[in-house]
Amino acid sequence: DIQMTQSPSTLSASVGDRVTITCRASQSVSSWLAWYQQKPGKAPKLLVYRASSLESGVPSRFSGSGSETEFTLTISSLQPDDFATYYCQQYNTYLYTFGQGTKLEIK
Amino acid sequence: QVQLQESGPGLVKPSQTLSLTCAVSGGSISSGAYYWNWVRQPAGKGLEWIGRFYTSGSSNYNPSLKSRVTISVDTSKNNFSLKLTSVTAADTAVYYCARGISGPLELWGRGTLVTVSS
Repeated sequence: DIQMTQSPSTLSASVGDRVTITCRASQSVSSWLAWYQQKPGKAPKLLVYRASSLESGVPSRFSGSGSETEFTLTISSLQPDDFATYYCQQYNTYLYTFGQGTKLEIK
Repeated sequence: QVQLQESGPGLVKPSQTLSLTCAVSGGSISSGAYYWNWVRQPAGKGLEWIGRFYTSGSSNYNPSLKSRVTISVDTSKNNFSLKLTSVTAADTAVYYCARGISGPLELWGRGTLVTVSS
């Protein structure tokens, strides 16, 4: 299995801050990497696919980058609606695996 | 627009079979080159992919669950199903159905909580 490790596990930030979440793969996943946002009691929502492609309807303050084994999700200017948990997911192999999640909290 | 909705028993006894259905509304489960997936999430924990069924008829499962899982599609009812046998307390989780084209899961159901307990 390809292991996905996110850092940090928890991130405290303020509205307007620029934040970056990192996701590392235990082996290369090329660009087959997605990012999701999940709020309490809700299903995950796809934000980014193929490492850097923004899903339709997702605000442009979200951006993804990286390839092979290291990826980042950046929120350029945090909005109140962005406080949630974020997960990365690799789909380089049919055995999809997720990172453990990064909880973005209000400072 | 297409929506997914999970349904099934919220309580299953240990050693029994967990059975869930995901109803697809607003579109045909047979149209498009979609994978139909199940993902679960224990309370307070991360996401675990269970498996997927492709409209061509092929399926893939997480090896950690493979011997206990079956995902099938019923085109006449426009839904797909999950069966997980010999459940234990470790299978207690919110179960989500989700649709994807190749890997990213772009459409999710709301999820349904299944508790394994006697």
